[in-house]
Amino acid sequence: SQQGEEDPQALSIQEGENATMNCSYKTSINNLQWYRQNSGRGLVHLILIRSNEREKHSGRLRVTLDTSKKSSSLLITASRAADTASYFCATVSGSARQLTFGSGTQLTVLP
Amino acid sequence: DGGITQSPKYLFRKEGQNVTLSCEQNLNHDAMYWYRQDPGQGLRLIYYSQIVNDFQKGDIAEGYSVSREKKESFPLTVTSAQKNPTAFYLCASSIEGQGYEQYFGPGTRLTVT
Repeated sequence: SQQGEEDPQALSIQEGENATMNCSYKTSINNLQWYRQNSGRGLVHLILIRSNEREKHSGRLRVTLDTSKKSSSLLITASRAADTASYFCATVSGSARQLTFGSGTQLTVLP
Repeated sequence: DGGITQSPKYLFRKEGQNVTLSCEQNLNHDAMYWYRQDPGQGLRLIYYSQIVNDFQKGDIAEGYSVSREKKESFPLTVTSAQKNPTAFYLCASSIEGQGYEQYFGPGTRLTVT
C-alpha cells in the first residue's frame, strides 16, 4: 500500500528557480525520508526527518514536516538542470521496519 | 548506487519461464528489500529480509520467491505464476535501527514476452 502521495505529479521550472514538492501521508510516522531517482536508475537517499523534528536542511535542500497535517515538503533552492529527476517521499510507521513510498514528483529543470 | 550490485541490468525472458535476479551488497547491512516499479509509479515492496535465513512478504509477493542464505545476497525469483512480470526491479539494503534509510542498487529491467 502507498502511504505517501506527492504533489504535484510533475513540475517544470527554469534553472535558478526554487522547486517545492509536497507529500501527504495517512498514518502516524516515526520518520519521513526523501529520495531522488534519475531516469532508469536506483534511488538515492536525500534526507531523513524524524517525527519530532519540524525542519531540516542539507545543502540546497530544505525539508519541513507538519505531523498535525500529516504532510511534508521538499524545497530545492537555486535549481540546476542536474536536479532533473523523480523525487519520492517514504515513511516509516509504528512497528513496521520498512519504508512505504509515495508515487513521486517528476521534476524537470530547464536550462 | 553505493555498495549494492544488481545483475543483469536488462533481462529478457519468454513467458512461462522462471527468472532469478541477483542482488549483492558489501555494506554489512542486515536488512535487504526487493521492490517493483512500474512506469511513472512509485515503489511497491515485494519481499524483505531482516536477517539471514528469514524473510517476510511485502505488499505484492504473489508470483515471487526469495532466499537469504548469506548476509550479502538476496536473490529474487520471478516465477511463471507472476501475471505481469515486466517491470523495473530494485534491490535495497539498510542498517537495522538506523531509521531504515535505504541504499539502492541500480536496478534490473525485466521484459517478458
